[in-house]
Amino acid sequence: KAGVTQTPRYLIKTRGQQVTLSCSPISGHRSVSWYQQTPGQGLQFLFEYFSETQRNKGNFPGRFSGRQFSNSRSEMNVSTLELGDSALYLCASSLAPDSPNTEAFFGQGTRLTVV
Amino acid sequence: AQSVTQLGSHVSVSEGALVLLRCNYSSSVPPYLFWYVQYPNQGLQLLLKYTSAATLVKGINGFEAEFKKSETSFHLTKPSAHMSDAAEYFCAVSGPLQGAQKLVFGQGTRLTINP
Repeated sequence: KAGVTQTPRYLIKTRGQQVTLSCSPISGHRSVSWYQQTPGQGLQFLFEYFSETQRNKGNFPGRFSGRQFSNSRSEMNVSTLELGDSALYLCASSLAPDSPNTEAFFGQGTRLTVV
Repeated sequence: AQSVTQLGSHVSVSEGALVLLRCNYSSSVPPYLFWYVQYPNQGLQLLLKYTSAATLVKGINGFEAEFKKSETSFHLTKPSAHMSDAAEYFCAVSGPLQGAQKLVFGQGTRLTINP
């Protein structure tokens, strides 16, 4: 079956612009999480969605937002982009959020460069 | 609060030698522990996970890890390194209420295999 699909794979934006990233989870998966990966800060949790509801949010400013649709697809949005937002953004999906027996499957990520 | 410390940002071993990647965690609740591998320009792939069952966990590609509560450690080992093991490895922790979807990652260890 198809894996987690993130689009686009690469993106270049200018400071001050906004950007929307998309994540399509594995079919049947209802839980989606987003992570930011940078050389300096490593992998950091952004937020988690299940059944269109945000369950958890990481320590990021309000410029970072997300949502989940009824088909479990998720988008994240970053407004007023800063140079420091340049990162690899990873999406992960799983069947359900709380079960220890589920595995989080990661997409290949979207590489965002802010210039 | 939960945290992960990976000792050694870079580890280099010879092909055929033992691989040992160190991970120590801190958690106020019984932890779930994970090891992920990331190849260049790729997402994360789960190697193995500990979710309070057997303390010695076997994963894919010949890797295994042992949960030692007294040492708060979850070190990753492989008896004989292969060139294809060269990648970055991440240890991660979550708790019973987060399952696999809200992970706290270590800073990563880049593994180099010398021929």
